[in-house]
Amino acid sequence: EAGVTQSPTHLIKTRGQQATLRCSPISGHTSVYWYQQALGLGLQFLLWYDEGEERNRGNFPPRFSGRQFPNYSSELNVNALELEDSALYLCASSSGGGSGRNYGYTFGSGTRLTVV
Amino acid sequence: AQSVTQLGSHVSVSEGALVLLRCNYSSSVPPYLFWYVQYPNQGLQLLLKYTTGATLVKGINGFEAEFKKSETSFHLTKPSAHMSDAAEYFCAVRSSGSARQLTFGSGTQLTVLP
Repeated sequence: EAGVTQSPTHLIKTRGQQATLRCSPISGHTSVYWYQQALGLGLQFLLWYDEGEERNRGNFPPRFSGRQFPNYSSELNVNALELEDSALYLCASSSGGGSGRNYGYTFGSGTRLTVV
Repeated sequence: AQSVTQLGSHVSVSEGALVLLRCNYSSSVPPYLFWYVQYPNQGLQLLLKYTTGATLVKGINGFEAEFKKSETSFHLTKPSAHMSDAAEYFCAVRSSGSARQLTFGSGTQLTVLP
């Protein structure tokens, strides 16, 4: 079974540009979560998508946005990049279910975004 | 709101010694609790999880954790450390309500000394 795949593995952008990060969940998983892991700041929740809808959002500015496609893959967009956006961006997936009875996530290896 | 506190950002143990990584949580509803491990330049791997039932949970690589509601703790232990255990460990909590995202602690870097 293929795991969660993220692309690209590394991305270098200039301040003010836009970055697009992609995530393919495990087959059968309908929920995708995005986290930012910046140096010294731990793992910060960004976005949660389930069944194509944004379900919850962390405390990040609107220039962080995303979407989930019909095949449950997801895209994270970061507009107007700032130096402090440099971080490892992790995507995770889990099974859905109205009962919320999905336990734990499976993480991808991340995209390392560097803003110069 | 839910939160996780990991005591000790860095822990060093000798190879063969007991590993104890501390985690305390705060949750207004019964929590689901997790431990993840992260090796350099990799994503997070699930070590173990507590959802309901038995409070002593066994995970992969010889790790286990015990859910203690009265102490709001979920400490991670391993009887004998191996060099390959050197990594960063994250405790996480998810409420049993509708908010499904995990809230992570700040992580503990484990160093294993020869």
